[in-house]
Amino acid sequence: GNSVTQMEGPVTLSEEAFLTINCTYTATGYPSLFWYVQYPGEGLQLLLKATKADDKGSNKGFEATYRKETTSFHLEKGSVQVSDSAVYFCALLMNYGGSQGNLIFGKGTKLSVKP
Amino acid sequence: NAGVTQTPKFQVLKTGQSMTLQCAQDMNHNSMYWYRQDPGMGLRLIYYSASEGTTDKGEVPNGYNVSRLNKREFSLRLESAAPSQTSVYFCASSPWTGSFSGNTIYFGEGSWLTVV
Repeated sequence: GNSVTQMEGPVTLSEEAFLTINCTYTATGYPSLFWYVQYPGEGLQLLLKATKADDKGSNKGFEATYRKETTSFHLEKGSVQVSDSAVYFCALLMNYGGSQGNLIFGKGTKLSVKP
Repeated sequence: NAGVTQTPKFQVLKTGQSMTLQCAQDMNHNSMYWYRQDPGMGLRLIYYSASEGTTDKGEVPNGYNVSRLNKREFSLRLESAAPSQTSVYFCASSPWTGSFSGNTIYFGEGSWLTVV
């Protein structure tokens, strides 16, 4: 079936360090791919997305490239800040019966950034 | 902009009690969803509604019922709450214009439910 696997956390980094959170997927067909972020005590916010192979999503200094050949959508940021501390979810969007989209989530990766 | 609004934000129930989580969106979206979030499990789909008047089961529908009251509102009901339903519940919506590649799902802020 369709699934998303992302690296387990927690990930602890110092401020200004480079961030990579790995995400790979299994899907029949060609899904859209997303990263959502959840700050403590809040709901999920869309961080970035990519809808087809080789697309690069970017937002707030975060980037991820849709790699069909490796079925991956790794999240990167060149210099993290304390305010980036949150849980990050990778997700894919598939059709249900050809008429509806539904998100399938990874289990989430908690990121803690220390000053 | 309100976006997706869900109530209540926090609720404690006793085993066997019933309750309804309310959700409304003001983005004129066609599709609405209910997810639950459990530690180490990510988010799992309970029910969804592709359009007004339709509802379908997701991955974990047992113990829940839903109603798509109109285009704006999608409620989730627990008829007889169980401790296994202690979770954080998220309502979401998407435009679903028919363009699969362009679809995006937007989330509410969550409802923390504890069943004792």
